[in-house]
Amino acid sequence: AQSVTQPDIHITVSEGASLELRCNYSYGATPYLFWYVQSPGQGLQLLLKYFSGDTLVQGIKGFEAEFKRSQSSFNLRKPSVHWSDAAEYFCAVAPAGNNRKLIWGLGTSLAVNP
Amino acid sequence: DGGITQSPKYLFRKEGQNVTLSCEQNLNHDAMYWYRQDPGQGLRLIYYSQIVNDFQKGDIAEGYSVSREKKESFPLTVTSAQKNPTAFYLCASSPGGTDTQYFGPGTRLTVL
Repeated sequence: AQSVTQPDIHITVSEGASLELRCNYSYGATPYLFWYVQSPGQGLQLLLKYFSGDTLVQGIKGFEAEFKRSQSSFNLRKPSVHWSDAAEYFCAVAPAGNNRKLIWGLGTSLAVNP
Repeated sequence: DGGITQSPKYLFRKEGQNVTLSCEQNLNHDAMYWYRQDPGQGLRLIYYSQIVNDFQKGDIAEGYSVSREKKESFPLTVTSAQKNPTAFYLCASSPGGTDTQYFGPGTRLTVL
């Protein structure tokens, strides 16, 4: 069955430190891949997405993600975290060309220490 | 401004009452979705609609109903048959032919 795993339920980093949030998926072919961010009590905002092409994808707010086919991973990175980055981060996968049912990870909660 | 609106932001109902959550989009998107979010469970798909007057059940449709009479509107009714309706409800939409979903601000429903 298709699935998305975000191994880290909660991560705490210091402001200014680098960040990497992990996402692994289980799917036979290369899917479409997404990262969303959610602030408390708010909707989800798209950070970035990968459909095809360059495996290093740039997103908003200084985030990037790298698709690694051999590892079935799509990890999210940021070189220097700001206090405003504290939020919940969700990875999602869709079978290529089929947006009917995104498969969602359970999310990673990010806390930022001043 | 284009976007997705959900109203109200907070909703309180007594147990046994049906309640309807509003979702409107002015993005001219063909597809619309309803998700339920509970702590520690991520997002679960309730219903989705790819076109007006057509919709499909998601993973947790029991106790919910929807309609899609207009392209821009996709209201969700939480019926008294839903065993545990207290949750955060998110509406999303996507352009036809693409996979990127865009989300509204959500409605927090509390059933007392």
